[in-house]
Amino acid sequence: GDSVTQTEGPVTLSEGTSLTVNCSYETKQYPTLFWYVQYPGEGPQLLFKVPKANEKGSNRGFEATYNKEATSFHLQKASVQESDSAVYYCALSDQGTNKVVFGTGTRLQVLP
Amino acid sequence: DPKIIQKPKYLVAVTGSEKILICEQYLGHNAMYWYRQSAKKPLEFMFSYSYQKLMDNQTASSRFQPQSSKKNHLDLQITALKPDDSATYFCASSQDLGYYAEQFFGPGTRLTVL
Repeated sequence: GDSVTQTEGPVTLSEGTSLTVNCSYETKQYPTLFWYVQYPGEGPQLLFKVPKANEKGSNRGFEATYNKEATSFHLQKASVQESDSAVYYCALSDQGTNKVVFGTGTRLQVLP
Repeated sequence: DPKIIQKPKYLVAVTGSEKILICEQYLGHNAMYWYRQSAKKPLEFMFSYSYQKLMDNQTASSRFQPQSSKKNHLDLQITALKPDDSATYFCASSQDLGYYAEQFFGPGTRLTVL
């Protein structure tokens, strides 16, 4: 079945440093890829999605490129802020399905 | 104003009892879902509904029964509760079904089964 593997957390960074959260996926079809963010006490919210291979998604300074050859979708940000502290989920939704398959999540803590 | 309402926020139940988790969405969406998040597993898809019809069921147990009385409501009835059912249950919705659809999540109901 479909699966998503991502960097195990927690990841602790200082404000102003760069972030990379690795994400790789397995699927037999042509998925849409997502990054979701979850703050304490809330449900996940979409950071951005990328439906096509070789395209990039971005939002709030975060970005990721859909790499079909490497089956990867790594999340990057050049300079993190304390307000970025949250859990980040890589996810996919495959053609012909209506469900989103989530990775285990990566907890990010940004220190001031 | 919250666009997806889930009630209650916290729920404690005893083993063997039955509970109903409430979900209402005010986004005008046609598709609704249930997901579960436990300490042992990542966010896990349970059901999808479109125009009040069940489209997907990924739960192995018939103890979990979604109920849709209105287009913007999708409740989840859980019977014969077990401690393993302890989790946070998230309701979600999207404009329509589809693998490209952006799903919006509610704040969740945290269920503890003693």
